Amino acid sequence: QLHLQESGPGLVKPSETLSITCTVSGDSINRSNYYWGWIRQPPGKGLEWIVSMYYSGSTYDNPSLKSRVTISVDTSKNRFSLKLGSLTAADTAVYYCARHKSWRGGDYFDSWGQGTPVIVSS
Amino acid sequence: DIQLTQSPSSLSASVGDRVTITCRAGQSISTYLNWYQQKPGRAPNLLIFGASRLQSGVPSRFSGSGSGTDFTLTISSLQPEDFATYYCQQTYTTPFTFGPGTTVDLK
Repeated sequence: QLHLQESGPGLVKPSETLSITCTVSGDSINRSNYYWGWIRQPPGKGLEWIVSMYYSGSTYDNPSLKSRVTISVDTSKNRFSLKLGSLTAADTAVYYCARHKSWRGGDYFDSWGQGTPVIVSS
Repeated sequence: DIQLTQSPSSLSASVGDRVTITCRAGQSISTYLNWYQQKPGRAPNLLIFGASRLQSGVPSRFSGSGSGTDFTLTISSLQPEDFATYYCQQTYTTPFTFGPGTTVDLK
């Protein structure tokens, strides 16, 4: 059974860089037609898609965040990671990793991690 | 960016009720529209993809319809476990965007 698990720092300081890793079990991260993505949700608010990456390195990017985002995939450890730089309080959110299916009829996120809360505060 | 609006923003309903939630896109997105359910403190769960395709394991009381700019999610007979917030999402083009959500609570 597919399971995604985020691990993050919990609390980070403004202007610093957030690093979160998502470890995947029950599926291979280099499976065809599947990307691996990050979505966040500020407290009490809606969902914002951040980025998705294929194991080969190709990405779908959100232009509003692209300049601050780095995503990487480690196929040997079946995990992928997000780095978000120049943090401000507006980046405080629950960060979810998810499996992103891409097919001719559209893309969708069919399996999600439980989420890791991140607070940006000094 | 493609903006999605949802109506209503919240609704109160009873077990057994038929519930319909609407999602409208700012431009035509064909059928590149997904629906998710989220319960408090939990991750979203995919219900419908491609506007009308039921995700594996999702009860058949959930259905989706629409194309172009107007979409609906219908719960044919509301169950106690269905009280949650529902989000639509477009994947017609990046950035993938979500609607603001519709909260279904107990009347």
